[in-house]
Amino acid sequence: AQSVTQLDSHVSVSEGTPVLLRCNYSSSYSPSLFWYVQHPNKGLQLLLKYTSAATLVKGINGFEAEFKKSETSFHLTKPSAHMSDAAEYFCVVSDRNDMRFGAGTRLTVKP
Amino acid sequence: SQTIHQWPATLVQPVGSPLSLECTVEGTSNPNLYWYRQAAGRGLQLLFYSVGIGQISSEVPQNLSASRPQDRQFILSSKKLLLSDSGFYLCAWSVRPGVTEAFFGQGTRLTVV
Repeated sequence: AQSVTQLDSHVSVSEGTPVLLRCNYSSSYSPSLFWYVQHPNKGLQLLLKYTSAATLVKGINGFEAEFKKSETSFHLTKPSAHMSDAAEYFCVVSDRNDMRFGAGTRLTVKP
Repeated sequence: SQTIHQWPATLVQPVGSPLSLECTVEGTSNPNLYWYRQAAGRGLQLLFYSVGIGQISSEVPQNLSASRPQDRQFILSSKKLLLSDSGFYLCAWSVRPGVTEAFFGQGTRLTVV
């Protein structure tokens, strides 16, 4: 069985400061990992994905994540937060047939 | 290109009434299909997934059921809705589970009154 844990339910940063959203996973296989973003009243948008290639993955809007197998982590980072980054972020682990979502992290960006 | 259609967008149903939410995918064959529920302030809970016609895996015991009568059609149903069935329901598909990402429909906001 696989599972994913997002360590923070809510993260608040000031505009222009770095963002760190933490994610740990467990899987019996070699999983693929994803980060999705959901803006208020909108659908889910893929930010980036890891599928056993380079461990440092770059995504859209300046986000990136690093796959660390030894730590079973896939944390999402961005060097400088923008007001438009305020949203709900989901870490997802996928292997074989199903996809499991974390509980989500709500990112608030203060001016 | 591939697209996913999910309807209706919003639905208000009385307790004890039946439910049928439909999801169809275009532009791909033999996709993996998923139903998720997102309750207010919570993450997405996987309800069902299907790897082929007539093949349904249920993740949690509940008042809901799913069916896949055609390759690109996935239906979420209930015979009698409960108040606790309220939530945001999302259908999704993927081509190569464990490798490629999933693509999501726009969701159905279900309110049981």
